[in-house]
Amino acid sequence: GAVVSQHPSRVICKSGTSVKIECRSLDFQATTMFWYRQFPKQSLMLMATSNEGSKATYEQGVEKDKFLINHASLTLSTLTVTSAHPEDSSFYICSARATGTGGYGYTFGSGTRLTVV
Amino acid sequence: AQTVTQSQPEMSVQEAETVTLSCTYDTSESNYYLFWYKQPPSRQMILVIRQEAYKQQNATENRFSVNFQKAAKSFSLKISDSQLGDTAMYFCAFMKPFGGSQGNLIFGKGTKLSVKP
Repeated sequence: GAVVSQHPSRVICKSGTSVKIECRSLDFQATTMFWYRQFPKQSLMLMATSNEGSKATYEQGVEKDKFLINHASLTLSTLTVTSAHPEDSSFYICSARATGTGGYGYTFGSGTRLTVV
Repeated sequence: AQTVTQSQPEMSVQEAETVTLSCTYDTSESNYYLFWYKQPPSRQMILVIRQEAYKQQNATENRFSVNFQKAAKSFSLKISDSQLGDTAMYFCAFMKPFGGSQGNLIFGKGTKLSVKP
């Protein structure tokens, strides 16, 4: 089945530094990937939609300069949290939709727990 | 805008018994997809079951089945013969048929299900 690999699973960084999270579709091509943020005991909040070869579409209230998304190939999207602050600490999850799979093809990565100290 | 409501923050069930999780949604679309996802303590999002709105027949996947009432905009999940491994957060999700950068999942707030031995 479709597999999405997300790395790192956990990261601790100092305030003011940047952190990159990778989301890879291992056995399928993903035209579109989605990045979610999940606070403890809450639901997933869509941050942005990442489209291969074009600019990401950000949800209202998400700072595009802080959360940089790059989707340079059909199998890789990256989320970079720039100048991270403690309030950016959260669980980040990516998902990918296989090209041409309609409403079938959502696969999630295993998530990244970011802690900013 | 579409919304998804899960009115049961927490539920518990005895092992081997049956439990039903509720979900309602609001949309003006006539064609869409509905999903139930499971998030165990590992926080990996796992697809449980999927329903296309144009299909009248309720989806079934082994011990999991849905009661899809399109007119009432209701999409409940029934888990039969509950197992300890079913303990998890369950999220109901809505998705419009996608085009371009659309097609993201809209999640409810989740129901925490505990299966007791």
